Amino acid sequence: DAKTTQPNSMESNEEEPVHLPCNHSTISGTDYIHWYRQLPSQGPEYVIHGLTSNVNNRMASLAIAEDRKSSTLILHRATLRDAAVYYCILRDGETGGSNYKLTFGKGTLLTVNP
Amino acid sequence: DAMVIQNPRYQVTQFGKPVTLSCSQTLNHNVMYWYQQKSSQAPKLLFHYYDKDFNNEADTPDNFQSRRPNTSFCFLDIRSPGLGDAAMYLCATSSAGSYNSPLHFGNGTRLTVT
Repeated sequence: DAKTTQPNSMESNEEEPVHLPCNHSTISGTDYIHWYRQLPSQGPEYVIHGLTSNVNNRMASLAIAEDRKSSTLILHRATLRDAAVYYCILRDGETGGSNYKLTFGKGTLLTVNP
Repeated sequence: DAMVIQNPRYQVTQFGKPVTLSCSQTLNHNVMYWYQQKSSQAPKLLFHYYDKDFNNEADTPDNFQSRRPNTSFCFLDIRSPGLGDAAMYLCATSSAGSYNSPLHFGNGTRLTVT
């Protein structure tokens, strides 16, 4: 699986925007960029994914660089409930293979201050 | 609500005593996964099922086995647990319709080996 690099930790204040970066310089043309997060004592939770265009959903926005070698997960207004480990994962979107795996890297621990 | 359920949340077993962890899903997803997550580490994939087809990760110890008797249920059997097998075990599901189908995780079973 192609590798991603994320900062080990980041801090934010409540109600401020948070930009979580991810570098993936070896991304291939068929790799989708997925983000999951894991709140304390819970299983990981899907956040968002994209291929080339920026994506928005109710949880977050995903901004993808034009060369696709980096991306940023944007939480528009952080809440205390957003404190979690955020994982940026590349997943091969090409059909016809046998790989449904999702391989987690180390992730970024986000702390939200009141 | 459709979901992934893991029972029990906490399991204690003795060194060398076989233990089985359970996972059920109401999502009717084709693919089911077992991950191991040790303290302060990212989840690590042990194996996954595509329907009844079993896919083992190359570095998953032989001590770990799995069964999937039907679409809804999947079991993780640890034949002879060692102290190093103490971890959170996460079950997840996804639809086989697309490689980008998100994974839905249960809240895990925390295994203690005494």
